[in-house]
Amino acid sequence: QQKVQQSPESLSVPEGGMASLNCTSSDRNFQYFWWYRQHSGEGPKALMSIFSDGDKKEGRFTAHLNKASLHVSLHIRDSQPSDSALYFCAALSNSAGNKLTFGIGTRVLVRP
Amino acid sequence: GPKVLQIPSHQIIDMGQMVTLNCDPVSNHLYFYWYKQILGQQMEFLVNFYNGKVMEKSKLFKDQFSVERPDGSYFTLKIQPTALEDSAVYFCASSVTGASNERLFFGHGTKLSVL
Repeated sequence: QQKVQQSPESLSVPEGGMASLNCTSSDRNFQYFWWYRQHSGEGPKALMSIFSDGDKKEGRFTAHLNKASLHVSLHIRDSQPSDSALYFCAALSNSAGNKLTFGIGTRVLVRP
Repeated sequence: GPKVLQIPSHQIIDMGQMVTLNCDPVSNHLYFYWYKQILGQQMEFLVNFYNGKVMEKSKLFKDQFSVERPDGSYFTLKIQPTALEDSAVYFCASSVTGASNERLFFGHGTKLSVL
């Protein structure tokens, strides 16, 4: 079983709409989470981190973490065509330095 | 923004041959990483490297794998000999330090095809 699971596998939203992505960890050692985004032909690029329970907002992106359930989500408000990409949830434990465990990704398509 | 460069973007070799994947990390970064992504699967940690030494490696980092960064030049991943299951996209990444709260900067990846 993958230690970091993402849903849905893919998501289509209209331009201006809200995209919601989910991520769950099966390992209680994972307490810190990152969201990375990868456009076609490029490497992953860090979007934002969330290390504490609750919400964290950066521009149009809001992450939410619930450590008790090991669930983290990412919400993209006012989605733009440039948000079309593969989104990865990545987790790490306090003792793992910067060794990220990635999910398989959610492909987001923003329809103009 | 800061960029990690990977050379080449695609490498095709015959099974059993040696291959070297090259990475030019962000200039002031001290920690370097290799990740492996097989088509349709998640990206997986291979190794991280600091101050000339391997700090951590995963089970995927087989004995045939080695990394080095001689005299501040490219950070390289060498596979000798290659096997069919080494076919994947290999991503290099770097960070200023190895702190948990620090983002990694990834290159575009090198697609390795072992025939």
